[in-house]
Amino acid sequence: DARVTQTPRDKVTEMGQEVTMRCQPILGHNTVFWYRQTMMQGLELLAYFRNRAPLDDSGMPKDRFSAEMPDATLATLKIQPSEPRDSAVYFCASGTLGRYYGYTFGSGTRLTVV
Amino acid sequence: AQTVTQSQPEMSVQEAETVTLSCTYDTSESNYYLFWYKQPPSRQMILVIRQEAYKQQNATENRFSVNFQKAAKSFSLKISDSQLGDTAMYFCAFMLSGSRLTFGEGTQLTVNP
Repeated sequence: DARVTQTPRDKVTEMGQEVTMRCQPILGHNTVFWYRQTMMQGLELLAYFRNRAPLDDSGMPKDRFSAEMPDATLATLKIQPSEPRDSAVYFCASGTLGRYYGYTFGSGTRLTVV
Repeated sequence: AQTVTQSQPEMSVQEAETVTLSCTYDTSESNYYLFWYKQPPSRQMILVIRQEAYKQQNATENRFSVNFQKAAKSFSLKISDSQLGDTAMYFCAFMLSGSRLTFGEGTQLTVNP
């Protein structure tokens, strides 16, 4: 089965460090999402792209978060500088506009900022 | 803005029995999609079942079925013949055409032997 690949699976970093999370969407999918999951807030949308163009990043703290798709096979989410409140599981999901089978999620990156 | 509400934070069921998880949503749109996702302890989000709002027939996938009541804006998930592997967090999700998924708070289901 085709899958969305996220790296790293787990990341522990110190406050103030830069963190980069990577996602390889399923080949042929034109829509990519970044979600954050915490106990308090549940699943929140951070940003999403269609055909590599950002459509909505209103859920992202702009001063420290950035999301990009340098090419169709790679999406990145960067936090600089990281803070303890950024500790969460970050999910990438991909899908195709017009085919509403539901988006496919990666296995997430668990980020811990100490 | 669309909202999704799951009013049951936790549920439990005995193995082989049937359980129903509730979900309600709020939207003024008429064309949309609804989903149930499962998140086991491995944390992988797995699509369980989907429903197109324009279809009156309730979706079914093996032991999983939904009761979609469009007028009431209700979308419940029924799991028949529950198995230990069904233990997971279940999320209800709403999506407008071509847009994002909006998730409910989740229901933690435990299947007891």
